[in-house]
Amino acid sequence: SAVISQKPSRDICQRGTSLTIQCQVDSQVTMMFWYRQQPGQSLTLIATANQGSEATYESGFVIDKFPISRPNLTFSTLTVSNMSPEDSSIYLCSVDTSGDTQYFGPGTRLTVL
Amino acid sequence: TQLLEQSPQFLSIQEGENLTVYCNSSSVFSSLQWYRQEPGEGPVLLVTVVTGGEVKKLKRLTFQFGDARKDSSLHITAAQPGDTGLYLCAGGMTTDSWGKLQFGAGTQVVVTP
Repeated sequence: SAVISQKPSRDICQRGTSLTIQCQVDSQVTMMFWYRQQPGQSLTLIATANQGSEATYESGFVIDKFPISRPNLTFSTLTVSNMSPEDSSIYLCSVDTSGDTQYFGPGTRLTVL
Repeated sequence: TQLLEQSPQFLSIQEGENLTVYCNSSSVFSSLQWYRQEPGEGPVLLVTVVTGGEVKKLKRLTFQFGDARKDSSLHITAAQPGDTGLYLCAGGMTTDSWGKLQFGAGTQVVVTP
């Protein structure tokens, strides 16, 4: 298993601004993932972030809007750029430790006014 | 398009009753995970099943992976208010080497005292 922390836990932002979300893991992991979740709904994968390579984005998500950094094996950031109210959501990071199972952070609840 | 179909979408039961949540697909998965998520938190892994026909028990929770590895079920015996949450199934794709998971839409379970 893995223990994952995220910062901030929640934020309220003005439209047009950007927010960077941090994800810290207590052990070295190769694969990290970023998800978005609307309240009460399932998870939508934004991108896969592997250390030493560019993040791989899913359909509907682009690097200019959601730039990701992965500087080492225990840390990643997701930036939500030029925010609009439609970006209000819960953002979650997860790690894969065995190839089949992911462990999730507590999430960052973002509200854009 | 949701590869994993969860049913029902919502389930409200009284404490002490039993419930079953289903996760079905036309695709074969290398593994299947069940998560429970409570408000304001990230999904918490309950179990991973990898073998067709596998049955795993976790106290009052019983998980089954279909023989063909296309479907799964979660059965809760004598439900308690603490079982309330969003239950998510997620399948590991056999053809995907990045460890990505396909999530179902989720089943919201409410157990009232």
